[in-house]
Amino acid sequence: GNSVTQMEGPVTLSEEAFLTINCTYTATGYPSLFWYVQYPGEGLQLLLKATKADDKGSNKGFEATYRKETTSFHLEKGSVQVSDSAVYFCALSRLDQFYFGTGTSLTVIP
Amino acid sequence: NAGVTQTPKFQVLKTGQSMTLQCAQDMNHEYMSWYRQDPGMGLRLIHYSVGAGITDQGEVPNGYNVSRSTTEDFPLRLLSAAPSQTSVYFCASRSGLGSPLHFGNGTRLTVT
Repeated sequence: GNSVTQMEGPVTLSEEAFLTINCTYTATGYPSLFWYVQYPGEGLQLLLKATKADDKGSNKGFEATYRKETTSFHLEKGSVQVSDSAVYFCALSRLDQFYFGTGTSLTVIP
Repeated sequence: NAGVTQTPKFQVLKTGQSMTLQCAQDMNHEYMSWYRQDPGMGLRLIHYSVGAGITDQGEVPNGYNVSRSTTEDFPLRLLSAAPSQTSVYFCASRSGLGSPLHFGNGTRLTVT
């Protein structure tokens, strides 16, 4: 079947620290992969995506590379800011369905 | 461009009451869906639709009904509210296969 596993939170970092949030997936066929971000009281917003192996998605300083050999799509940012505090969801899309991880809460302290 | 619009933002119901959560999108997306978000459980799919007149069940459909009479609207009906339906509900839509989902801002529902 299809599923997404992402690292448990919460994660607390100091401003300007390096961020990695791990995401691995199980899928039949060739899924598309996504990272979404959710700020308090809001819906999920697309952060970045990748549609095939070795694609790198990037946006707002965040990056993730679609690694088929390790079935991973880890989210990274070189220098986090207080405004990056949010919940991050990894997701895959296969045929008609989306499958979401349980979310990782990130808090960045000044 | 409004995207996906959900109403109301907040709702309190008593056990046994019924209500409809509204969802509308102006992007001409064929696919629309409803999720509920609960602490520690991520997002769970309730119902989805691949086009007007077509709906199907997701992971947690019990206690909910949907219909899709137009491309734009996809209301979610709670038939007889239960405390277990206390949650945050999100409507989402997308264009073609492999495209990202676009989410509304959610409806926070409390059933007492």
